[in-house]
Amino acid sequence: NAGVMQNPRHLVRRRGQEARLRCSPMKGHSHVYWYRQLPEEGLKFMVYLQKENIIDESGMPKERFSAEFPKEGPSILRIQQVVRGDSAAYFCASSLTGSAPGGYTFGSGTRLTVV
Amino acid sequence: QKEVEQNSGPLSVPEGAIASLNCTYSDRGSQSFFWYRQYSGKSPELIMSIYSNGDKEDGRFTAQLNKASQYVSLLIRDSQPSDSATYLCAVPYNTDKLIFGTGTRLQVFP
Repeated sequence: NAGVMQNPRHLVRRRGQEARLRCSPMKGHSHVYWYRQLPEEGLKFMVYLQKENIIDESGMPKERFSAEFPKEGPSILRIQQVVRGDSAAYFCASSLTGSAPGGYTFGSGTRLTVV
Repeated sequence: QKEVEQNSGPLSVPEGAIASLNCTYSDRGSQSFFWYRQYSGKSPELIMSIYSNGDKEDGRFTAQLNKASQYVSLLIRDSQPSDSATYLCAVPYNTDKLIFGTGTRLQVFP
């Protein structure tokens, strides 16, 4: 009964490098959500994906950020040319039905530090 | 953009007291509401959901919903130091994502 699995737990990148964050949803879940939490701030929605489809990316920064959820394998949040302002905790959540009113379960998060 | 608002706190209560956490939301059409608890350095954990006006009780936790006032609250009875955490209110938007408040930090002192 593995929950939502995220890796790595901690990631350190130098400015200008790429960061790849991975999320494996709960077994049977095909809906994935990514959230970002800046220090001392709330959770901000980034993107909602289903297998091979981006459903809602209204919270994604226009540049450098991308997300995918392939048919096989985990969902990937990719940040190119990272800057210090990207330092945050990135959480992934999954759901069975894809309907937010049911609530969803978060993974343990990836803490990204840009130095 | 739909909004969910909470007082950031900290809210300090003595052990054994009732902690009252409040949340207002802007979307009158919202039908479901969630409370998450987040310990420092950890991920949010769903602790309560409420869908109908009135109260919903689960152990020491009671969620209260007033749709007319667009207000949802969380009461924690017999507060314990282990309840010290940030409590996040969340409301679905467009049924495809949850919008979170900034959270209220609760401190329960012995």
